[in-house]
Amino acid sequence: DQQVKQNSPSLSVQEGRISILNCDYTNSMFDYFLWYKKYPAEGPTFLISISSIKDKNEDGRFTVFLNKSAKHLSLHIVPSQPGDSAVYFCAASDPGGGNKLTFGTGTQLKVEL
Amino acid sequence: DVKVTQSSRYLVKRTGEKVFLECVQDMDHENMFWYRQDPGLGLRLIYFSYDVKMKEKGDIPEGYSVSREKKERFSLILESASTNQTSMYLCASSLWVGQGDEKLLFGSGTQLSVL
Repeated sequence: DQQVKQNSPSLSVQEGRISILNCDYTNSMFDYFLWYKKYPAEGPTFLISISSIKDKNEDGRFTVFLNKSAKHLSLHIVPSQPGDSAVYFCAASDPGGGNKLTFGTGTQLKVEL
Repeated sequence: DVKVTQSSRYLVKRTGEKVFLECVQDMDHENMFWYRQDPGLGLRLIYFSYDVKMKEKGDIPEGYSVSREKKERFSLILESASTNQTSMYLCASSLWVGQGDEKLLFGSGTQLSVL
């Protein structure tokens, strides 16, 4: 049972435009949500997070939005750059599960010139 | 420069072999994790550890075991490797598991092929 879902396996965006990556979850007990970015042959690196008590968190070009009623979060990248091309994983933390992270399946973002 | 180091980038093993994947972190983190990454399945947690000699099963522990004899080292063991264990294995560590906003620090991964 996939508790964290990323329904778009890939996304292609032109340089300078907005990239929107989506993530849905089913467990209402999740209290933190995180985005990780992964380049080929490297481990994932932390990008941005949001607490379940907030609906928006911004860090430079990256903004994460959380809609708790819809159990949906999204990552916005503006403006998109070629170096943003990577796989993006959404993850969620469940305090009842020892705060270990549950990851989604990932979205491959390609930013084209 | 703090880091998580996985001993091998690529490994090729035969079915039935016992396989050891080693992971070392230099940040004095309490928590360490083993994930595997497969296309279309994302990252799935195999085992994790909150302290020395402690271990907890993740979501897919079958066919694996772990060892944590020292705080900085967390080993993943495939008792008898099978072809369905061909995967990218990722080790991670984090400072404390109490607050939810866990920012895991990952190693570069080990691509294991079981033939």
